[in-house]
Amino acid sequence: DTGVSQDPRHKITKRGQNVTFRCDPISEHNRLYWYRQTLGQGPEFLTYFQNEAQLEKSRLLSDRFSAERPKGSFSTLEIQRTEQGDSAMYLCASSLDSPLQPQHFGDGTRLSIL
Amino acid sequence: GEDVEQSLFLSVREGDSSVINCTYTDSSSTYLYWYKQEPGAGLQLLTYIFSNMDMKQDQRLTVLLNKKDKHLSLRIADTQTGDSAIYFCAEIGAGSYQLTFGKGTKLSVIP
Repeated sequence: DTGVSQDPRHKITKRGQNVTFRCDPISEHNRLYWYRQTLGQGPEFLTYFQNEAQLEKSRLLSDRFSAERPKGSFSTLEIQRTEQGDSAMYLCASSLDSPLQPQHFGDGTRLSIL
Repeated sequence: GEDVEQSLFLSVREGDSSVINCTYTDSSSTYLYWYKQEPGAGLQLLTYIFSNMDMKQDQRLTVLLNKKDKHLSLRIADTQTGDSAIYFCAEIGAGSYQLTFGKGTKLSVIP
């Protein structure tokens, strides 16, 4: 395993549809993070897991968004009833279990809402 | 909220040094990071520095931190065309798990 893997790389969907993204972290990393990046901006934090526990959620994460990490390995991010404003790059990162360890990012899933 | 500021564009000639600057407001920042993003890709961790250090060197990269002025810089020596990308400065505060990013500096390298 050479890095964080995200699937799909691109997703195009119609407004109102549900979408689900998957993230596979680096195998020994037990911390997993989701960020959202819109055009011309830096990534913004969405949520964070330590093992299977979701420990922190940003106010950006509306009730249409849900993230899971059921077995403490891969994670999914679901967006229900997508809106135009959800168009963005969704980035996943992982790190070892220490405040001193840096976060390593995947290549992201680019979501386009028609 | 906490803020990270960067200039948006930098253009340099191939072989010259590039210096990308960043300022931040969080006085509790523990670690500061530089990430590189190429078109259509995710973020690649370049280097990071702990807040009690003032300099870190890693091959062509030199990071300088002025904690008093909350100013961070990234110097790339002998800049190559492959260095063309967007560079993000990010910080993480004490007890936090979330990175706060700047808007990124687009580096263009002229052959």
